[in-house]
Amino acid sequence: TQLLEQSPQFLSIQEGENLTVYCNSSSVFSSLQWYRQEPGEGPVLLVTVVTGGEVKKLKRLTFQFGDARKDSSLHITAAQPGDTGLYLCAGYPTNAGGTSYGKLTFGQGTILTVHP
Amino acid sequence: DAGVIQSPRHEVTEMGQEVTLRCKPISGHNSLFWYRQTMMRGLELLIYFNNNVPIDDSGMPEDRFSAKMPNASFSTLKIQPSEPRDSAVYFCASSLVKYTQYFGPGTRLTVL
Repeated sequence: TQLLEQSPQFLSIQEGENLTVYCNSSSVFSSLQWYRQEPGEGPVLLVTVVTGGEVKKLKRLTFQFGDARKDSSLHITAAQPGDTGLYLCAGYPTNAGGTSYGKLTFGQGTILTVHP
Repeated sequence: DAGVIQSPRHEVTEMGQEVTLRCKPISGHNSLFWYRQTMMRGLELLIYFNNNVPIDDSGMPEDRFSAKMPNASFSTLKIQPSEPRDSAVYFCASSLVKYTQYFGPGTRLTVL
C-alpha cells in the first residue's frame, strides 16, 4: 500500500491541452513536493508546498496543497512536448502532534507524454 | 557548479558478484541519501546519512546491502553478493536543508 497515491499513472495528451495530476493520502503531511524526472536522469525538485490551501505557480504549472494537508495537485496549462516526463509527488508524514517524522516518501509517479 | 556525481552510470554484472556504486555529493551539503527506483516499487529510500553518520537504514533490503560515508565528499553503496532482483536504477541525493534534495543522474544496475 502506497502512502501517497498518484493518479493517473499514465497520461498521453496533445500539445496545447490542459491536465491535472493528483497526489492523495490518508495521512497528514508537513509539506509536499513535486519532482519531474526525465529519462536517464534523476528527479528534479519543482516546488515545495508547506501550508494547507497553498497555491504556487511556476510558469504554466500550478501546484495546490489541500486544506487538510493530505493531498496535492499539479495542473499544467497548454502542455508542451517539453513537459513530457515522470512527475513524482513526495512528502514527510506527520505524527499526531504535527511533527514531521521519518523519511521522504514518494508516490509511484505519473508518466506524462505530450505529443506535438 | 557540479551537481551530485555518481559512478558508474551503467553496471552490468553476473549474479553473485560484488557491486560498488559511488557518489560524490554537492560540496557543503550535510545529508546524503541512497534511493532505488524500479517500475514495481517506484522510488524507495535505502539509507541516509547526516554529517557522515548513518541515521536511518531501515530501507536497506537485507544484509547483502551496505553503505558507507567515510568523509563528507564520498559515499559508497555495496551489494555483495548481487542477485537479479537487485536490478534497478540507484540514485544518490544530497541536501543542506531538509526539504531540498538534489539527485544525481543515477546508476543503472543490471544483474544477470
